Amino acid sequence: NAGVTQTPKFRVLKTGQSMTLLCAQDMNHEYMYWYRQDPGMGLRLIHYSVGEGTTAKGEVPDGYNVSRLKKQNFLLGLESAAPSQTSVYFCASNIQGSTEAFFGQGTRLTVV
Amino acid sequence: GQQVMQIPQYQHVQEGEDFTTYCNSSTTLSNIQWYKQRPGGHPVFLIQLVKSGEVKKQKRLTFQFGEAKKNSSLHITATQTTDVGTYFCAGRSSNTGKLIFGQGTTLQVKP
Repeated sequence: NAGVTQTPKFRVLKTGQSMTLLCAQDMNHEYMYWYRQDPGMGLRLIHYSVGEGTTAKGEVPDGYNVSRLKKQNFLLGLESAAPSQTSVYFCASNIQGSTEAFFGQGTRLTVV
Repeated sequence: GQQVMQIPQYQHVQEGEDFTTYCNSSTTLSNIQWYKQRPGGHPVFLIQLVKSGEVKKQKRLTFQFGEAKKNSSLHITATQTTDVGTYFCAGRSSNTGKLIFGQGTTLQVKP
């Protein structure tokens, strides 16, 4: 049972480049989330999804897009990366709203 | 929008001392969860509180949920070096489904 898997684990981008972070969960969870973690800022919610085909904005959605075409996958896209998007990105999922969230191992992204 | 604030941001204690972190929400929460993140790791679920005034214990850890369901605390008795890490509270709004995290409290324990 792999749980929540994030791909890639590390990435360096040049300003203006685009990339997609993949989150995959094999627990048949309905809810999935993308967070970014910066020193002193905690975990800030970027976007989330309450089911296949649905997405919603979190606290800091600007500069990011997401898609949930399949229940098990939640993709986070950066269309034109900026240095301010240098961060550690975590994906999480849970069965439904009021249960334990399981986190992936994180993706460390550096934009130069 | 919903905000979850956590204090203090950092705490350094001597091994054996107690530790408390506090969490406050700007809105009433349907439940509150606590997570621990070890250095270099990812957040791991500790516990969930649902009822107003609820108190739960896990060995040396005591968790409380306020009567108004807008605040919570985590207390560790007699800290050990294995308690080192960042503790996050996370509140879920009853009408949006969002899971919003506090800024976290980083605990350092001196042996």
